[in-house]
Amino acid sequence: DTEVTQTPKHLVMGMTNKKSLKCEQHMGHRAMYWYKQKAKKPPELMFVYSYEKLSINESVPSRFSPECPNSSLLNLHLHALQPEDSALYLCASSQVGVTYNEQFFGPGTRLTVL
Amino acid sequence: GDSVTQMEGPVTLSEEAFLTINCTYTATGYPSLFWYVQYPGEGLQLLLKATKADDKGSNKGFEATYRKETTSFHLEKGSVQVSDSAVYFCALGGFKTIFGAGTRLFVKA
Repeated sequence: DTEVTQTPKHLVMGMTNKKSLKCEQHMGHRAMYWYKQKAKKPPELMFVYSYEKLSINESVPSRFSPECPNSSLLNLHLHALQPEDSALYLCASSQVGVTYNEQFFGPGTRLTVL
Repeated sequence: GDSVTQMEGPVTLSEEAFLTINCTYTATGYPSLFWYVQYPGEGLQLLLKATKADDKGSNKGFEATYRKETTSFHLEKGSVQVSDSAVYFCALGGFKTIFGAGTRLFVKA
């Protein structure tokens, strides 16, 4: 299984809502990533988990809260978002400790904040 | 710091034309290099990779050679198809992958 799955595919939320994005992989990868991608731009790294521990937080606002409950799952909890947070949110996974770092991406969750 | 520079798009070609998308990088050490492709409405997929100097990555008719002397990793395909229309990202590997800005390719029938 070389697939990263993400749910939901689309999400519309108001600025006062709380929602969560989910990501799952069964490739035995021990690094998992959240990216934010705006239209016509490359992905921007938000968070990296390595062995279920947060290893990189790219100064992301606290209204985004990541969670890695086990080696296969990655969540992104959303609260009090702003309209400018509307974007495609991509999850990825990779092996740790190899000389290269090929990442496997999910299809993304398209988030609209009203 | 490390960086990746890609040619700006969009690139518009007719079917069966030759494709080149230029990519140059700045990095310390000897990073791995990647090309990712993003089809409309989808996430990124790895297209090809090269892990050391003079390596040639290839997949689906696309090729790129890791040129350390010119710090380049240009993407080429001899004959593009309409189905190749997508955004192509050159990337520098590592724990924090560094992506180029992306080049949008349109292929006309």
